[in-house]
Amino acid sequence: GAGVSQTPSNKVTEKGKYVELRCDPISGHTALYWYRQSLGQGPEFLIYFQGTGAADDSGLPNDRFFAVRPEGSVSTLKIQRTERGDSAVYLCASSLGPQWASGRAPNEQFFGPGTRLTVL
Amino acid sequence: KQEVTQIPAALSVPEGENLVLNCSFTDSAIYNLQWFRQDPGKGLTSLLLIQSSQREQTSGRLNASLDKSSGRSTLYIAASQPGDSATYLCAVRQLVKAAGNKLTFGGGTRVLVKP
Repeated sequence: GAGVSQTPSNKVTEKGKYVELRCDPISGHTALYWYRQSLGQGPEFLIYFQGTGAADDSGLPNDRFFAVRPEGSVSTLKIQRTERGDSAVYLCASSLGPQWASGRAPNEQFFGPGTRLTVL
Repeated sequence: KQEVTQIPAALSVPEGENLVLNCSFTDSAIYNLQWFRQDPGKGLTSLLLIQSSQREQTSGRLNASLDKSSGRSTLYIAASQPGDSATYLCAVRQLVKAAGNKLTFGGGTRVLVKP
């Protein structure tokens, strides 16, 4: 597609439920990022994929959060036993890669529209 | 740990006035700094990206300056219009390889331009 797409655009769930959020990056982008944006705040980094592997998952808040990218394209962010504090907009971004490994400069990230998650 | 701060948190100006948005960061070892625009319920749109070796970048009515040594960047929007109403975010990318390619964002400045 022309840009990064995310589905669903909105998700309402009940406390304790499991949710999956999907990100479809720009075709040809090997790097993919997840960020979380709480109301009135800037986005916070969650996890970064280079290809199929998670190169940096230091931003995941706890073990209820998990993300996969099995074929190096689409990624799914999975949240188990959701809590009200998980309510936020989850943003996905992609960029050309690989980053750093070949000495190339980090590339600009392009963001999707986000998924607004509401946990009741 | 890098921290990015944006002041003010909100700004309201009459149409035609120039906008000045400030961003400060605590660790000057950055690779670049980027300004984004975010409309309500939307994703982020990149406005300007300044490499650490640059002092400023310009695009139309937008001008962003960078003073890496003092940890500051300023976004200027000339002759503001109601369509400029949005939240403006600055983000830095670290220079060190261990930090990967993640962006560290400020909290944003919410701008309202009144007709």
